[in-house]
Amino acid sequence: AQKITQTQPGMFVQEKEAVTLDCTYDTSDPSYGLFWYKQPSSGEMIFLIYQGSYDQQNATEGRYSLNFQKARKSANLVISASQLGDSAMYFCAMREGRTDNYGQNFVFGPGTRLSVLP
Amino acid sequence: EPEVTQTPSHQVTQMGQEVILRCVPISNHLYFYWYRQILGQKVEFLVSFYNNEISEKSEIFDDQFSVERPDGSNFTLKIRSTKLEDSAMYFCASTYGGIAFFGQGTRLTVV
Repeated sequence: AQKITQTQPGMFVQEKEAVTLDCTYDTSDPSYGLFWYKQPSSGEMIFLIYQGSYDQQNATEGRYSLNFQKARKSANLVISASQLGDSAMYFCAMREGRTDNYGQNFVFGPGTRLSVLP
Repeated sequence: EPEVTQTPSHQVTQMGQEVILRCVPISNHLYFYWYRQILGQKVEFLVSFYNNEISEKSEIFDDQFSVERPDGSNFTLKIRSTKLEDSAMYFCASTYGGIAFFGQGTRLTVV
């Protein structure tokens, strides 16, 4: 079974509009972390935002926020006021376990390619 | 701001040759990883490393692969005899507080 599902292979958004990128996950571990990474065309993997399973509030980092719905096992990324530089591949990832005590690996979803239109 | 650095950024090698991909993790990080991404495909876990030993590895990480932390700062991935299907982007990552920070990647092309 897929641990991380991203159902939108590609998304378009108009510049300055908000966009939501979907992510659902599957785990039986009560402790886990959810992450979003951005991969521009240059190829590097840039950390955007993190949500712990026990965090009461949704994570926010600047224009990025994570809409965490634990009962639905979803962790959607919301980008407000899209910019042309936001055009990239976006990956949702999960790390199971409380912290990286034992080097638990991160499982990635297939990604969503976001294109911001001028 | 500290970052994970990888060298080289791009490597072309002949099939059957050995390659060593190098990484310098962020200095106070304790856990290190290698991931790979075949063009247009998912990011796949290869191996994690802690306290000078492998803590977890995937099915991909077979006997052709090895990792080493030779000098306390570098973290290397060696592929002993490269195959065409090893062509991919290889990412090194290190973690602190449970968040993984990735290097810019090494694009390996096997011809």
